[in-house]
Formats: sequence, C-alpha cells, structure tokens
Amino acid sequence: GAGVSQSPRYKVAKRGQDVALRCDPISGHVSLFWYQQALGQGPEFLTYFQNEAQLDKSGLPSDRFFAERPEGSVSTLKIQRTQQEDSAVYLCASSLTQGARYEQYFGPGTRLTVT
Amino acid sequence: AQSVSQHNHHVILSEAASLELGCNYSYGGTVNLFWYVQYPGQHLQLLLKYFSGDPLVKGIKGFEAEFIKSKFSFNLRKPSVQWSDTAEYFCAVTPYSGGGADGLTFGKGTHLIIQP
Repeated sequence: GAGVSQSPRYKVAKRGQDVALRCDPISGHVSLFWYQQALGQGPEFLTYFQNEAQLDKSGLPSDRFFAERPEGSVSTLKIQRTQQEDSAVYLCASSLTQGARYEQYFGPGTRLTVT
Repeated sequence: AQSVSQHNHHVILSEAASLELGCNYSYGGTVNLFWYVQYPGQHLQLLLKYFSGDPLVKGIKGFEAEFIKSKFSFNLRKPSVQWSDTAEYFCAVTPYSGGGADGLTFGKGTHLIIQP
C-alpha cells in the first residue's frame, strides 16, 4: 500500500507560533517514530509510540515539544512557542511492530522554518 | 548512550571506482547496525542491516557492509559505483533490545557524488 505520508511538507512559522505536524504511517504498522534532522546533520530520535502508547520520549528537546497518537494510527507532533533553533526537517517513520529487526519506513519529512 | 561517527562528509568518485564509507560506533553492548540512503528528492530508505551471524552483509543495489566488532566498525562498500549512487548515506545503530523501543542513532551522513 501507500508509504508513510507527512503533512504539511513545508511550514514557515514566526517565532512564538505553535505548529502541528502530521504523520500517517503505513496501515497496520504498530510502531511509530519521530526524528528531527537539522541542516547537515543526521536524523535525531525524538519519540516512539507503540500503538497509542508513547513508550519513549527521551529525545524531545524541551517541554515545548509534544507528540500524540490517540488512536494508534495517525500521529501529531506539536511544537509550542517555536524558536529559531526548531528549524529542521521532522521525519516520521513506522514499522510493522516493535523491535529493531523490523525495518523503519520513513516519510518525506516536514521542513519547518522558523523566522 | 550510543553514538555514530562517519568520517567522510563529502566523497567524490568517478563511475566504476570502488567505494568504502567509514562508520564507527560507540556503545558497550550488543548492537544492531544499519545503512540508510537518501537519493535526491526521495525518502530515507534501508540499504542493509546487521543483527547477528555472518559479519558480511549484502544489501540492495550491490552494496555490502562488514561488521568488525573489535574495531566497532561497520563500513559500507561497493566494488564499482554508478552515477545513480549519488546520494546521502547514513550509518545508524540501536542497542540490541530483543524487542523494546528502537529509536535509531544516526551518524551525520556522507554526501556521495559520482561523476560520469
């Protein structure tokens, strides 16, 4: 079926605005991950869901970042009071179930620019 | 916490040249190792992975990687590159968890340009 989709693909926010980034995982995939990729860097882990349960949020950089997956499918990453250092590409990935042996399939990302 | 180091940030090769991209990781326990590739305008996709067993793993498009435990390395190789191999390559690692949460730790990436 379709791959991981993310929306919007591009987002420009003024400093201090709140933003919401959406991820539609592959249908039936239990695990969902969010990553942040700054310019010239590799992706950095933010948080992980297994179904609707957020099992790991150790990578969220501050309490301005919040993620949810209320029905165990679509996920939203919300950033409150955006700052310039939040400018990055936000990647979502899903995998069939928990465990590193299941490939993570990545979406195209949302490029966030904070001005 | 684990970390990944990719020593070559930019590599330029001519078609048919051999490729080796370095990757070293830092972690005291058992790890799972991956190489991902991002072609221009496309999503990150898995090239190959190592979990256990034969330390020489083969992936898509003629790529292979060798896990050398004593050197904490997982270098990516291809005997003869093509123009279509132009892309960004990322090495990644997760601790072996036997089924727990498995967020990937990535290196900074290597930008590979193949000249025709």
